[in-house]
Amino acid sequence: EAEVAQSPRYKITEKSQAVAFWCDPISGHATLYWYRQILGQGPELLVQFQDESVVDDSQLPKDRFSAERLKGVDSTLKIQPAELGDSAMYLCASSSPGQSMNTEAFFGQGTRLTVV
Amino acid sequence: QKEVEQDPGPLSVPEGAIVSLNCTYSNSAFQYFMWYRQYSRKGPELLMYTYSSGNKEDGRFTAQVDKSSKYISLFIRDSQPSDSATYLCAMSLEGGYNKLIFGAGTRLAVHP
Repeated sequence: EAEVAQSPRYKITEKSQAVAFWCDPISGHATLYWYRQILGQGPELLVQFQDESVVDDSQLPKDRFSAERLKGVDSTLKIQPAELGDSAMYLCASSSPGQSMNTEAFFGQGTRLTVV
Repeated sequence: QKEVEQDPGPLSVPEGAIVSLNCTYSNSAFQYFMWYRQYSRKGPELLMYTYSSGNKEDGRFTAQVDKSSKYISLFIRDSQPSDSATYLCAMSLEGGYNKLIFGAGTRLAVHP
């Protein structure tokens, strides 16, 4: 069964260090999302790609976060420098415009980030 | 006020009970409504989705949308210990590249 792949599963980093997360969406899915989920809360969208283009990054803290999807397939989310408040689960999801609706998104297992 | 409100629980029920999970929302333009199940330390898994108003049934799960009241529900019949998880509601506008807006999630524990 096709699934969204994310790595690493867990990451511990020190405050002010750089950290990067990788996501490989389901093959053929044009839309890719990065969500952040703080413990006890629902996921919040950080950035949304349609192919290689950013269509929504209104909630991305652009002073420290960056995201790219250079060839319209896999994607990298980077934080530099990391802050204590960035500790959260970072979730990648993908969807295909050909499915029943554009927002039927499938999630990966996430990367749990702890900043110390 | 958040766009989507969901009681975080926790909700504890005995095995076999009927579970009712609910969300309210403020944006009347939402058209797509989804329920995700999330096990501890895992990513959310899509359970049900509904377009506009009405009911949808899939096995032991029934999703209801009442747009006039801005209220959605997920019912789980004959609940099992394996249903113990956090249930997230999510919704979206129609058209374009509209993002999913999630509720905070309700933690459900089904005990034998």
